[in-house]
Amino acid sequence: GAVVSQHPSWVICKSGTSVKIECRSLDFQATTMFWYRQFPKQSLMLMATSNEGSKATYEQGVEKDKFLINHASLTLSTLTVTSAHPEDSSFYICSAREGGLPSYEQYFGPGTRLTVT
Amino acid sequence: AQSVTQPDIHITVSEGASLELRCNYSYGATPYLFWYVQSPGQGLQLLLKYFSGDTLVQGIKGFEAEFKRSQSSFNLRKPSVHWSDAAEYFCAVYMEYGNKLVFGAGTILRVKS
Repeated sequence: GAVVSQHPSWVICKSGTSVKIECRSLDFQATTMFWYRQFPKQSLMLMATSNEGSKATYEQGVEKDKFLINHASLTLSTLTVTSAHPEDSSFYICSAREGGLPSYEQYFGPGTRLTVT
Repeated sequence: AQSVTQPDIHITVSEGASLELRCNYSYGATPYLFWYVQSPGQGLQLLLKYFSGDTLVQGIKGFEAEFKRSQSSFNLRKPSVHWSDAAEYFCAVYMEYGNKLVFGAGTILRVKS
C-alpha cells in the first residue's frame, strides 16, 4: 500500500530557532501534499495544501511566513517552522495524494511531535 | 459551517464486547464520510468510507458504519472488540468547497481485558 513517512518523528528546539520537517511518499508520486496540525484532544486542522512545483495554499489564519512549505519534488514536501515559539509546539501530520486521485484519497504520515522550549 | 462532532472523547470497552463510536456531521450537500484509526506512532489509516448507495458500509478489521441522513450521523461499529483495536478513531467529512477533509476531535478507545 501507499506509504508516507515523516522525519523526524519528534524534535525539540529552542525558542527562536527554525525546524524543518520532511514528508516523503515512498512508493508513489504525490502531486499534492497536505499539512495538518493536531492539538491534544482536538481534531486535525488543515494548515496548507501544496502541489508539486507550485506555491502552497494556506488555510485562513495560518501564517505563511512562519510555516514555510516547499514541495519541490513528487516525493518530498517540507514544512519549516521559522522562529519557533512554545505555542508552536504541536503534532504535525502530513498526507499525500497520488496524481489523478480525488483529494479525499489521502495517505497519512505518522506525524512529527514538535516541542519548543 | 461544516463540522464533524465526535461526542465521546474516551470510550472503554471490554475485550469481546461490541463497540459503537458516534459521529455527527454538519454539511449541506451529500457528504463523503470517512473513519480513520490512528495508533501511537502510526499514520491515520482509513477504515472505511461512504459516498453513496448502501448506507451500511463495511470496512477493514471487521468495522462497519451506518450512514443515517435523518440523524446526520455516521456511527462506527464493531461486534466484538479485540485488544489490538485500542487506538484513536477519527471521523471526517470531505468538503468539495475547499477541497479538503474536515476531522472530528477523535475518540480514544481503550480495551480492557
